[in-house]
Amino acid sequence: DVKVTQSSRYLVKRTGEKVFLECVQDMDHENMFWYRQDPGLGLRLIYFSYDVKMKEKGDIPEGYSVSREKKERFSLILESASTNQTSMYLCATDHNWVTNTEAFFGQGTRLTVV
Amino acid sequence: QKEVEQDPGPLSVPEGAIVSLNCTYSNSAFQYFMWYRQYSRKGPELLMYTYSSGNKEDGRFTAQVDKSSKYISLFIRDSQPSDSATYLCAMSPASGGSYIPTFGRGTSLIVHP
Repeated sequence: DVKVTQSSRYLVKRTGEKVFLECVQDMDHENMFWYRQDPGLGLRLIYFSYDVKMKEKGDIPEGYSVSREKKERFSLILESASTNQTSMYLCATDHNWVTNTEAFFGQGTRLTVV
Repeated sequence: QKEVEQDPGPLSVPEGAIVSLNCTYSNSAFQYFMWYRQYSRKGPELLMYTYSSGNKEDGRFTAQVDKSSKYISLFIRDSQPSDSATYLCAMSPASGGSYIPTFGRGTSLIVHP
C-alpha cells in the first residue's frame, strides 16, 4: 500500500512564525502536490513538483514556498504565517505521473494560526 | 463560474437507497474524471477514474460520464452507513502537458440506518 505521511496532524502557530509542513511518500512516485482544503472552497492547489528540485506554482502559491531535495520528501513552507492560512493542508502523490488520475493523499495537517 | 461545480449537500438518505452524486463542468478539454471519498478528518481516497465518456462499475459504485452535457455522476447502490463521507469529483485534460486535476468542492453524504 502507498503511504503518504504528513509530519503533524494538528499544529498551532503564531502569526509571523515560519512554518514547515513535511510530507514523505514511500512509493517512488514522481509527482507530489500540496493542497489546502477550506469549507465551501474545496481543494485548492498550492504547489506541485514533478521531480527533485523542480516545483511549479498552483492556483494559490502566494505566501507559500516548497522544497523537494529528495524524491520522497516534499515540504511546504509558510514564510510568515498569517491567520488566513489557517486551514487543512493535504499532501498527495500520484501513481500516474502523466495523467495524475490516481492520487494518494496524506491524512492532512490541520494548521491553526493565532 | 467555477470550472467544476458540485452541490455541497448534505445529502441524507436511508440505508439501502441508491445514491446519485453529480458534478458539472465547463471545460470541454477535460477527459479524465475521478471520484474521491473523504471521511471526516482524513485525506481523500480514490474510488475510481474514467477516461472520456461512458460508464465504469466497481462493486456498488458506478461512475458515469456524459461529455455532451458536461455532466458526471457517481451512483452508489445499496448504500450503507459506512458510505457516509464527502465525495469529491475531479477532472483533468488529456493534453497541454500539465494534467493537473481540478477538484469540485465535494458533496457531503449521510446514510442513516
